[in-house]
Amino acid sequence: QKEVEQNSGPLSVPEGAIASLNCTYSDRGSQSFFWYRQYSGKSPELIMFIYSNGDKEDGRFTAQLNKASQYVSLLIRDSQPSDSATYLCAVNNAGGTSYGKLTFGQGTILTVHP
Amino acid sequence: GAGVSQSPRYKVTKRGQDVALRCDPISGHVSLYWYRQALGQGPEFLTYFNYEAQQDKSGLPNDRFSAERPEGSISTLTIQRTEQRDSAMYRCASSLAVGASGAKTQYFGPGTRLLVL
Repeated sequence: QKEVEQNSGPLSVPEGAIASLNCTYSDRGSQSFFWYRQYSGKSPELIMFIYSNGDKEDGRFTAQLNKASQYVSLLIRDSQPSDSATYLCAVNNAGGTSYGKLTFGQGTILTVHP
Repeated sequence: GAGVSQSPRYKVTKRGQDVALRCDPISGHVSLYWYRQALGQGPEFLTYFNYEAQQDKSGLPNDRFSAERPEGSISTLTIQRTEQRDSAMYRCASSLAVGASGAKTQYFGPGTRLLVL
C-alpha cells in the first residue's frame, strides 16, 4: 500500500463545474496536509494546507480533512480551463522526528474543458 | 523577493561521472529540502536540512548520493558514479523553520533535469 494514494485520472470536468480531487494516506500519525498544483513542465506550487478535521475554504478552493477515515480532498468550484494541471496531495508524517518530510501522492491530472 | 533557484537547469552526463546540483533557497528560509521527481509521479523525498544540520537523509537511495549545506544557505546535492537510473528531475524546496509544531509550506525551485547517458 502506498503511503499517499491519489487517482491518477485524468479527471475531466466542464468549465464552471465542481472538480473533486481525493487523496488517502496510510499513516495515522500524519499531521499536516498540503495540496500542490503542477502545470506541465513547471514546479509544484502550493494551493492550500489543512491541519484540522473539517473544511477550509480559500476562494474557489475548499480542502476537506477527515483524519478518522484518513482522507483529504480538494474541491474546485467554478472550474476554469486554467485549472487544468496535475494536483498533488502531500502529507507530513511527523510521527517520528522528521518534521520536514513530505510524502507526495502520484498526482491527479485535471482537465477542464470549455 | 527571489524564489528558490537551482543550477544547472539541465545536466547531461555520462555514466560513471560525478555531478553536483546546486540550490539557493529563499532568503530567510532556514529549512531546505531535496526531492526527486520522475515523469508522471509526485516528488520523492531525498533529504532535508535545518540550517546546516542534515535532519533526515532517509530518502537518499544509496551511498552514491550525498548532500551538504555547510553555511546554512546554499546546498549541494552530489551524485557520484552516476547511473542511467539516476536520470530524473531533481527539485529543491525551502521553507521557514520546521520543527515540532509541524511542517511549513515548502516552496519549490525550477528543478535540475539530469540525464545520464
